[in-house]
Amino acid sequence: DTGVSQNPRHKITKRGQNVTFRCDPISEHNRLYWYRQTLGQGPEFLTYFQNEAQLEKSRLLSDRFSAERPKGSFSTLEIQRTEQGDSAMYLCASSLAGQGADTQYFGPGTRLTVL
Amino acid sequence: QKEVEQDPGPLSVPEGAIVSLNCTYSNSAFQYFMWYRQYSRKGPELLMYTYSSGNKEDGRFTAQVDKSSKYISLFIRDSQPSDSATYLCAMSDGFQKLVFGTGTRLLVSP
Repeated sequence: DTGVSQNPRHKITKRGQNVTFRCDPISEHNRLYWYRQTLGQGPEFLTYFQNEAQLEKSRLLSDRFSAERPKGSFSTLEIQRTEQGDSAMYLCASSLAGQGADTQYFGPGTRLTVL
Repeated sequence: QKEVEQDPGPLSVPEGAIVSLNCTYSNSAFQYFMWYRQYSRKGPELLMYTYSSGNKEDGRFTAQVDKSSKYISLFIRDSQPSDSATYLCAMSDGFQKLVFGTGTRLLVSP
């Protein structure tokens, strides 16, 4: 399967713990995105990278959240001092840069539950 | 007010029906419009991608965009039980952030 992959698929943690998620994009894609989706809502944009550069961050991305894409390939999203409100599905997408809005392909997501 | 409004449903139809799904939006800068399908506990899957106003057809799916009314639609012909999923509209102004609707849950009964 050459699609976007995300690990872990599920994470249960206690409030106050740190968690890290990984996303592996489609191999030739140079753009990578993180979104968050809560129950009954559509995905909300968090941040995106072109190669290793983080080009945009949503104000939803508080200082407890940090994302990296160190070599322009896989990306990690870390949440420090988790809160119950962080419980959500974290989705990663990737695309190949072109004109206009890229076609973004999504991974299966990481479901986070904060107890 | 949200930038993109979408009725959450659920929308229940019998197999074989024509389904109409809709979104309205407020940001006139949106030029790129997508429809994604999302099965329960899965990631969104791209169905249709259109630029500016007009129609686009792909198999049983037709996407329509009316920028003057800020209204987009997805039609599904000959609906099947396997079409039961949540349908998300998404939009972009040409920069890379997608803005999604809440999704409409569709149930197609045999």
